[in-house]
Amino acid sequence: GVTQSPTHLIKTRGQQVTLRCSSQSGHNTVSWYQQALGQGPQFIFQYYREEENGRGNFPPRFSGLQFPNDSSELNVNALELDDSALYLCASRSGQGIYGYTFGSGTRLTVV
Amino acid sequence: AQKITQTQPGMFVQEKEAVTLDCTYDTSDPSYGLFWYKQPSSGEMIFLIYQGSYDQQNATEGRYSLNFQKARKSANLVISASQLGDSAMYFCAMRDLIYNQGGKLIFGQGTELSVKP
Repeated sequence: GVTQSPTHLIKTRGQQVTLRCSSQSGHNTVSWYQQALGQGPQFIFQYYREEENGRGNFPPRFSGLQFPNDSSELNVNALELDDSALYLCASRSGQGIYGYTFGSGTRLTVV
Repeated sequence: AQKITQTQPGMFVQEKEAVTLDCTYDTSDPSYGLFWYKQPSSGEMIFLIYQGSYDQQNATEGRYSLNFQKARKSANLVISASQLGDSAMYFCAMRDLIYNQGGKLIFGQGTELSVKP
């Protein structure tokens, strides 16, 4: 499956954070979502074969990386209080329709 | 614009009864996919069922079925024989297949289902 680390994190406003995701084996597409409390997930961006190929309405301080070993990172700079949310990683194989496998998420709290 | 609407913030159902969770969608893409996910308190999004816009038959997966009415742009999830373990948040999601090359899923606000013993 998809594993994310850490599970919980507390950061101070203005700091930077890196969240990590290990995709399901063989999955070369990874997406990141932000889920605020009581809301549905919002698409941040997607990486396919280590290149970003889709982005939602998030500012440039949200950035990512995908590595050849099926792992990826979400980086957020200059944290704001509104960045407090559950961050979900989802992976799938290629550009196919099926097989969006989600991790359990990282709960980020910005104080 | 792409949009998913779930109008039931919370639902209650008696154990072993069937329940329908509503979902309507809006898109200008002629080809799209519709998904339902379950999110227990642990946070993981669990895939339940998928319906393609050109699929002739309604999708079924075990106790889950999708009541797809294309003309009405609705994709309701039906859970038969509810179990206590079905208590969770349920999200309807959509992906445009022609205009959306980035694989973005659009989610609704979710419905919290509580199964009573």
